[in-house]
Amino acid sequence: DVQLVESGGGLVQPGGSLRVSCVGSGYPFSHYSMNWVRQAPGKGLEWISAISNTGTSTYYADSVKGRFSISRDNDKNSLYLQMNSLRVEDTAFYFCARDITYWGQGILVTVSS
Amino acid sequence: DIQMTQSPSTLSASVGDRVTITCRASEDIVTWLAWYQQRPGKAPKLLIYKASILEGGVPSRFSGSGSGTEFTLTISSLQPDDFATYYCQHYISYPYTFGQGTKLEIK
Repeated sequence: DVQLVESGGGLVQPGGSLRVSCVGSGYPFSHYSMNWVRQAPGKGLEWISAISNTGTSTYYADSVKGRFSISRDNDKNSLYLQMNSLRVEDTAFYFCARDITYWGQGILVTVSS
Repeated sequence: DIQMTQSPSTLSASVGDRVTITCRASEDIVTWLAWYQQRPGKAPKLLIYKASILEGGVPSRFSGSGSGTEFTLTISSLQPDDFATYYCQHYISYPYTFGQGTKLEIK
């Protein structure tokens, strides 16, 4: 079975940094593009970033461009989201997703002083 | 960027009802559209992709249609499990934007 498990969430102060991770299993990780999607508490879904299967192409929503960086390590079946210059409005559940099909359970990132 | 507009935002219905949710794209996305169901505290679940193809394991009471800029999700006979929030998402080009969601409530 395909499984995606996020980790690394938590509380961080405004202006701070955090890296969240996602480990995939049950499929050939290196064959698929990956996405990060977030959801502020009580709000809708927001696509924020994607990376090609090889990692050579990356894409970002305007809301995070220049502050967040997506990467992957296919040898470790792992996807990462490095989040810098965090703002209160970045508070959300962060989901990794394999293309449009499979999603992790989500991890909460809270930005607050 | 392509904008996705869903309607209605909230829909009240009863078990057994037939309901339809609409999603409009700001430009032609051919059939590169997915529908998701999300229950509180859970990850979204893919229901339909390529506008009308049912994901494996999804009950046949769910159906999708449309192409270009107008799409619909129909549930033919609501079951108690179906009361949740539904989202559309295009995936023709990045950014893969979502609709704002439709909350399906019990009347």
